[in-house]
Amino acid sequence: DTAVSQTPKYLVTQMGNDKSIKCEQNLGHDTMYWYKQDSKKFLKIMFSYNNKELIINETVPNRFSPKSPDKAHLNLHINSLELGDSAVYFCASSQGSPSQPQHFGDGTRLSIL
Amino acid sequence: SQQGEEDPQALSIQEGENATMNCSYKTSINNLQWYRQNSGRGLVHLILIRSNEREKHSGRLRVTLDTSKKSSSLLITASRAADTASYFCATVANFGNEKLTFGTGTRLTIIP
Repeated sequence: DTAVSQTPKYLVTQMGNDKSIKCEQNLGHDTMYWYKQDSKKFLKIMFSYNNKELIINETVPNRFSPKSPDKAHLNLHINSLELGDSAVYFCASSQGSPSQPQHFGDGTRLSIL
Repeated sequence: SQQGEEDPQALSIQEGENATMNCSYKTSINNLQWYRQNSGRGLVHLILIRSNEREKHSGRLRVTLDTSKKSSSLLITASRAADTASYFCATVANFGNEKLTFGTGTRLTIIP
């Protein structure tokens, strides 16, 4: 039983395209996150939602738009993809505060051609 | 700027030996957490230590925290091949937005 699942696992697309990544968690957590991990393995928070409300919005281009239809799902839509968007994107969840242990999905590797 | 710096960046040891990784951070924290990341996988939470704790154990893991030096260490005893992974510390500041800020990570290789 996968706790935090992301789809797709790999995404290869052309510059300028729009793409979405989906995330679902079955842990009953009320807080979900998107992280970006670059080629040097540096991991940085992008967004966080608690009970469908945005609570963390780091300095991320507005081409990135998260959507949380319910507390078990957090999707990430990216418009006008750029070469610099190539990275691994991780979804995570936790119960309550972001200071609590977080459970991560296995990531979506996005490659921009 | 990035909160945590880890040392060493990479570590290779023989199976059965102990592995020690260090993490330094810059600001006052609420807690510090360690995570493991196997190649091609997501991060897995290992242990959380609060700012008022100095040491914590979980199985073969021992974590220490020195808030006066703004540093933490992770010790893995009796290492196994399955411990090969990247290890990250992450801190939660005790001011501003609560969020995890990750360190640069240590790549640990256990040689069978």
